Amino acid sequence: AQSVTQLGSHVSVSEGALVLLRCNYSSSVPPYLFWYVQYPNQGLQLLLKYTSAATLVKGINGFEAEFKKSETSFHLTKPSAHMSDAAEYFCAVSEGGNNRLAFGKGNQVVVIP
Amino acid sequence: NAGVTQTPKFQVLKTGQSMTLQCAQDMNHEYMSWYRQDPGMGLRLIHYSVGAGITDQGEVPNGYNVSRSTTEDFPLRLLSAAPSQTSVYFCASSSPGQVYGYTFGSGTRLTVV
Repeated sequence: AQSVTQLGSHVSVSEGALVLLRCNYSSSVPPYLFWYVQYPNQGLQLLLKYTSAATLVKGINGFEAEFKKSETSFHLTKPSAHMSDAAEYFCAVSEGGNNRLAFGKGNQVVVIP
Repeated sequence: NAGVTQTPKFQVLKTGQSMTLQCAQDMNHEYMSWYRQDPGMGLRLIHYSVGAGITDQGEVPNGYNVSRSTTEDFPLRLLSAAPSQTSVYFCASSSPGQVYGYTFGSGTRLTVV
């Protein structure tokens, strides 16, 4: 069964510093991988996705993620944090693009001025 | 183009009451799903559908029913509400292969007292 692990429920980062959110997945077939962002009291917005094309994926708001099959990872990065990046971030996996997304427990990102 | 529309946005129920959460999408997506979001748990799949007339259970289906009579609509029914069903509910839709990822509604915040 597909699953995702996100460590560290709360992540604090200084404004201007690197944002790094880790995601490891488990899937019995080639996975589709996603990062979503949720701002307070809002729904989920797609940041970026991996669907078996380029392993380095660029998304919105300056975020990118790299698919590493050997490490079963899909870590999210942004070179320089901005105050507007404060939100909750979820990694998700679906096996071969099926209709079932499995989410990690999320990372609450706090940006320190 | 409204995307995924959920109603109501907020609801308070008494234990034992029943209700239906509405979800409609106007993107002609075949796939639709219901998730619940609880603090520290991420999003968990309740039920999903791969097309009109076809539904299946997700990770946490107990206490919920669904039906899919049209491509556009995917209502979620709470048969007899319990305090454990207090949560934020999200509906999502996608096309096969999830090339564009899932589109999420803005959520329904349900409190069962």
